Amino acid sequence: GQQVMQIPQYQHVQEGEDFTTYCNSSTTLSNIQWYKQRPGGHPVFLIQLVKSGEVKKQKRLTFQFGEAKKNSSLHITATQTTDVGTYFCAHKAAGNKLTFGGGTRVLVKP
Amino acid sequence: DAGVIQSPRHEVTEMGQEVTLRCKPISGHDYLFWYRQTMMRGLELLIYFNNNVPIDDSGMPEDRFSAKMPNASFSTLKIQPSEPRDSAVYFCASSFLPNYGYTFGSGTRLTVV
Repeated sequence: GQQVMQIPQYQHVQEGEDFTTYCNSSTTLSNIQWYKQRPGGHPVFLIQLVKSGEVKKQKRLTFQFGEAKKNSSLHITATQTTDVGTYFCAHKAAGNKLTFGGGTRVLVKP
Repeated sequence: DAGVIQSPRHEVTEMGQEVTLRCKPISGHDYLFWYRQTMMRGLELLIYFNNNVPIDDSGMPEDRFSAKMPNASFSTLKIQPSEPRDSAVYFCASSFLPNYGYTFGSGTRLTVV
């Protein structure tokens, strides 16, 4: 199936700073979903992108789907300690089958 | 809605024993998924059901693993016999419409000693 690769694997961020995590594929994706998993928790659905060049915002989080639909990004502004966790991108293939990237683990330095 | 309910939350068992993990999906959701999460392999899809029918079990590691969904409100994942390498967090998730995300349960942390 189509694989999605995430970079970086780890992200140390100073509280108040911005950061971006990326999701890349070698093939065109029909959609991208983003999930957040807090330490010791379970993945929680954040958003789905389906259109080329689509940009969606949720408060301090900005999600983007590339024009070629081969990459996506999640940008967080003014990082807070509540942003700690692992952010996963995932692709939903035909048949509603979701394949996850490796995730970006975010650590926030106060 | 109580969300996706998994039990037990933690399971410690000895190698060779049978382990049964349980999941109750959200009412009305017609897809149910079993995932395994480890540090080395990340989130792996083991098997998923649509309307109680297994659709894709290609992620099931080997014959020691089996999953059933006898009705729309209950599913089990069984490992027999269990081995230390099966130690992981097992998540159940359910979904409804294709354009919606999955809802995950809180997971079962399995430790096989």
